[in-house]
Amino acid sequence: DAMVIQNPRYQVTQFGKPVTLSCSQTLNHNVMYWYQQKSSQAPKLLFHYYDKDFNNEADTPDNFQSRRPNTSFCFLDIRSPGLGDAAMYLCATSKPGTVGEKLFFGSGTQLSVL
Amino acid sequence: AQSVTQLDSHVSVSEGTPVLLRCNYSSSYSPSLFWYVQHPNKGLQLLLKYTSAATLVKGINGFEAEFKKSETSFHLTKPSAHMSDAAEYFCVVSPQAGYSTLTFGKGTMLLVSP
Repeated sequence: DAMVIQNPRYQVTQFGKPVTLSCSQTLNHNVMYWYQQKSSQAPKLLFHYYDKDFNNEADTPDNFQSRRPNTSFCFLDIRSPGLGDAAMYLCATSKPGTVGEKLFFGSGTQLSVL
Repeated sequence: AQSVTQLDSHVSVSEGTPVLLRCNYSSSYSPSLFWYVQHPNKGLQLLLKYTSAATLVKGINGFEAEFKKSETSFHLTKPSAHMSDAAEYFCVVSPQAGYSTLTFGKGTMLLVSP
């Protein structure tokens, strides 16, 4: 039944060691988003794809990259994780064209940086 | 431009008593408004949404919210709290039509005591 699937559920990496988080969807939605959520804070949008068009938020660090090889999959790459990058990373999808568009969220990947 | 203010960072209620989570918004156009719930270590789940139809919106798990344009508010209510309602709640605003990124409030943690 899961529609937006994130793997792994928990990820531990070392300071400076590249890490990739993955997201897949079975909804065939055009738009996929990556959010970063630190403890007790609101989710913060990092970037999103509308089909193959990539949209980066102005304050997203260069350390964060994303790939979307096809409609179903989207990856978040952190090139050199720092301690401040430890957070929950949420993937979401939406299908534009309807009024009051809503997001479908995955369960998130909790990233720890040692 | 759009913004969301959740007036309380924490709300504590006893089981069986009413719940009120307050949200005020600012938007330069007619907005869509959402409430999402996030249980510990989980992704976000949509509770309800307002998209310019009825101003009183009913959602899942007995929650409802009323859009009041004159007060720029979209407060979330439930007549009787249940222990399973304990979670973080986010009020979210977006433009009414088309696709666009959402603006999250900072969240309200609902605590429910026996």
